[in-house]
Amino acid sequence: EADIYQTPRYLVIGTGKKITLECSQTMGHDKMYWYQQDPGMELHLIHYSYGVNSTEKGDLSSESTVSRIRTEHFPLTLESARPSHTSQYLCASSRDGRGTGELFFGEGSRLTVL
Amino acid sequence: AQSVTQLDSQVPVFEEAPVELRCNYSSSVSVYLFWYVQYPNQGLQLLLKYLSGSTLVKGINGFEAEFNKSQTSFHLRKPSVHISDTAEYFCAVSVRRGSQGNLIFGKGTKLSVKP
Repeated sequence: EADIYQTPRYLVIGTGKKITLECSQTMGHDKMYWYQQDPGMELHLIHYSYGVNSTEKGDLSSESTVSRIRTEHFPLTLESARPSHTSQYLCASSRDGRGTGELFFGEGSRLTVL
Repeated sequence: AQSVTQLDSQVPVFEEAPVELRCNYSSSVSVYLFWYVQYPNQGLQLLLKYLSGSTLVKGINGFEAEFNKSQTSFHLRKPSVHISDTAEYFCAVSVRRGSQGNLIFGKGTKLSVKP
């Protein structure tokens, strides 16, 4: 059983609100990721981190930002939410940063912006 | 750049029937290959992976996949499916060298097993 947790699982908010999606893992993994998942589409990598104080943008441009102050914690923030941000956001971590290893995923945060 | 194509968006099948979920990839360099499964309202979990060696890879829950380099395919198979296999299945690749090792996913195939 994976030890990676996301909160909230579901969030409905109005346009213009600031939101933070939390992600924590207890496996001591250095590499962490945020993916955006929409129905019928590929999972798109929007952010990743190699470790503390390391963050990189992924393949899909996103208005969200991330931080990595502690190894176990990788929150994603939207300063001003818009309906176009409505999506499911999946957090993941891996022991191996070279692409050979398994990614452990959280259960996702489903965001709806009205 | 690498890409992954899952040829079927939905696959309906009856319980105890065999199933094959197709995955093709494109890459100019050697890749690692993965299949992940996502059950309703859950995150993804690894089914199996091909890194090197035998081209036939066995995973959890009775699934297996075969790496075919000449056809750039990595199709997933199960000889007899159960109702509990109903889920969405994602094929993914990562590049062996010279990259951050990030996974590139396909669009997913929804497997629906009917009694």
